[in-house]
Amino acid sequence: NAGVTQTPKFRILKIGQSMTLQCTQDMNHNYMYWYRQDPGMGLKLIYYSVGAGITDKGEVPNGYNVSRSTTEDFPLRLELAAPSQTSVYFCASSYGEGYEQYFGPGTRLTVT
Amino acid sequence: AQSVTQPDIHITVSEGASLELRCNYSYGATPYLFWYVQSPGQGLQLLLKYFSGDTLVQGIKGFEAEFKRSQSSFNLRKPSVHWSDAAEYFCAVVHNNNDMRFGAGTRLTVKP
Repeated sequence: NAGVTQTPKFRILKIGQSMTLQCTQDMNHNYMYWYRQDPGMGLKLIYYSVGAGITDKGEVPNGYNVSRSTTEDFPLRLELAAPSQTSVYFCASSYGEGYEQYFGPGTRLTVT
Repeated sequence: AQSVTQPDIHITVSEGASLELRCNYSYGATPYLFWYVQSPGQGLQLLLKYFSGDTLVQGIKGFEAEFKRSQSSFNLRKPSVHWSDAAEYFCAVVHNNNDMRFGAGTRLTVKP
C-alpha cells in the first residue's frame, strides 16, 4: 500500500493564481482531512470529509474549497492565492472518528 | 478557549538521558489524546494514543505517555533517548467528532 500520497511536493504560485492540491489514499478510509502547518503553530484543520460526497469546515477554511467524489481522493482547491496561504499542507486519512490519522508527506506552497 | 498547550518549544537532551515532553489540554471532557512525531521534511507518524482505560500507554520506539485527569496532562516520556529521536513532537486531541487539535510542537535536539 502506498498509504496517503500528495502531489505536488512543492509549488510556487503568484498572488491571485489558483491551484489544486491532490490527495489520494489507498487504505479504504472513510475519513480524510486537510491541514496546514505554519512554523511554530502546529497543524490547523482546514476541511475534512467523513465519506464520499460529505465535507465540512475545520478551524481555518477561508480561501479554500474541497470536494470528495470518491473514497480515495480529496483534493484541496485554492481559488485566489494569497501570501497568507504560504504554508505546508498535509492530507491525512483515518478509519473513523478518533482513530489514528495517517499523514501524507506534505506539499510546500509558496505564494509570492 | 479550548486548547492544547505544549509549553516547551525546544528541548535539548544528551543521548542516553531520559526525556519528558509536556502536553496540557483545556477541554471539559476527556478527549482522545495522541502523540505524533515529525522528522524533517516528513509527514506525521503516530507514536501512541489514549482513548480510555489504563492511564499509562506504551507506544512505538520505546515511548510512553501518562494521562493525568487531575492535571489535564498527557506527557510523553522515554527513559533513554537515541540520536534518531531528534524530531518535532506534537500532542493532539480529538474533542468533538473529527476536530483534531494540535499543540504547537516541541523540537527535540539530541546531543552526542
